[in-house]
Amino acid sequence: EVQLVETGGDLIQPGGSLRLSCAVSGFTVSNNFVSWVRRAPGKGLEWVSIIYSGGATYYADSVKGRFTISRDNSENTVYLQMNSLSADDTAVYYCARVPTGGSLGNYFDCWGQGTLVTVSS
Amino acid sequence: EIVMTQSPATLSVSPGERATLSCRASQSINIYLAWYQQKPGQAPRLLIYGASTRATGIPARFSGSGSGTEFTLTISSLQSEDFAVYYCQQYKSWPTFGPGTKVDIK
Repeated sequence: EVQLVETGGDLIQPGGSLRLSCAVSGFTVSNNFVSWVRRAPGKGLEWVSIIYSGGATYYADSVKGRFTISRDNSENTVYLQMNSLSADDTAVYYCARVPTGGSLGNYFDCWGQGTLVTVSS
Repeated sequence: EIVMTQSPATLSVSPGERATLSCRASQSINIYLAWYQQKPGQAPRLLIYGASTRATGIPARFSGSGSGTEFTLTISSLQSEDFAVYYCQQYKSWPTFGPGTKVDIK
């Protein structure tokens, strides 16, 4: 059974840093594309970042230069390092898998339950 | 960036009735469109990809259609578990989502 479990969400002050984790089971992160998607309070879904099976990484313009996606193949875990956080980054952060190794495009067939990041003083 | 819009923002439907949700892309995305269902406190659930292909385990009452810039999700006979928010997402370029349509009980 495929499972993604996010952890690491917290209340953090503006300008602070946080690292989110996405622990995966049922598939290997090294052979799949895994993405982070967020949902701000009262708003819709926003794609944040993706890491490809080959290791390439990509980011939404809103987080480029501040967020870094990475993975640990031995732990089968994907991370999102978030720096210089602002109130606009307050959201539930989901990790999600892209099916078929991305061969049909970057949509998401399995999602975690999400972890809440609140940026506030 | 490809901008996705959805209408209506809220759709009030009685159980057993048909629901039709619309999604529009700011430029052609061929059939690179997915639909998701999200209930409060839950993760999004993939319903449709490729504009019209149902994901694994999705009931046949959910159907998708369209290509280019205009897309439709139809729920043929609403069940109690279908009241939720529905999002469309394009993946012709970097993913972008629509703002969602909330389907609630009439």
